[in-house]
Amino acid sequence: AQKVTQAQTEISVVEKEDVTLDCVYETRDTTYYLFWYKQPPSGELVFLIRRNSFDEQNEISGRYSWNFQKSTSSFNFTITASQVVDSAVYFCALSGYAGNNRKLIWGLGTSLAVNP
Amino acid sequence: GAGVSQSPRYKVAKRGQDVALRCDPISGHVSLFWYQQALGQGPEFLTYFQNEAQLDKSGLPSDRFFAERPEGSVSTLKIQRTQQEDSAVYLCASSQGGLAGEHFGPGTRLTVL
Repeated sequence: AQKVTQAQTEISVVEKEDVTLDCVYETRDTTYYLFWYKQPPSGELVFLIRRNSFDEQNEISGRYSWNFQKSTSSFNFTITASQVVDSAVYFCALSGYAGNNRKLIWGLGTSLAVNP
Repeated sequence: GAGVSQSPRYKVAKRGQDVALRCDPISGHVSLFWYQQALGQGPEFLTYFQNEAQLDKSGLPSDRFFAERPEGSVSTLKIQRTQQEDSAVYLCASSQGGLAGEHFGPGTRLTVL
């Protein structure tokens, strides 16, 4: 069975702090995709990244970085120098690779509050 | 269109009413997904279309839920005899080649009284 666990329910930081959101996943598939989304208070899901299970390179996009470690089944997300606008719920998700196995399996989300 | 659109954005129904929620995917997108997000929870998969074919409906919670995409573009999610537990945000997503991910609509918030 596929499962995504985001152990941190809520995180509160002060602006400019770095913060890491944890994501651990379970799957029996050898190939799969991992995702991160942001859901601000407005409610709309904002796609942040999709990572193929073949590609274990870490990725950096501005203040955002992702650490994919297949050995520990983790796909953690770090925000450097956090800002108030980063306040949102962040979801990690997993999908299969082929055919009709492309539905997203979601974690419960981590609510991040960045305080001024 | 520029993105995935959904209508209505908000729907209030009395228990027992039927509702229909519409999703307009990005033009040309082959794949379309419906998800249900209860308050304070992550989204849960409902169903998946590739063109007009419904390839996976394993997430539909009961036979009161029905989805269609007859011409491979617009999709409608219908809920019959709504119950209070159906109150949630219903999200639609589309993608060009079948990979899930980038394009979600704003959702329809359904409240069943």
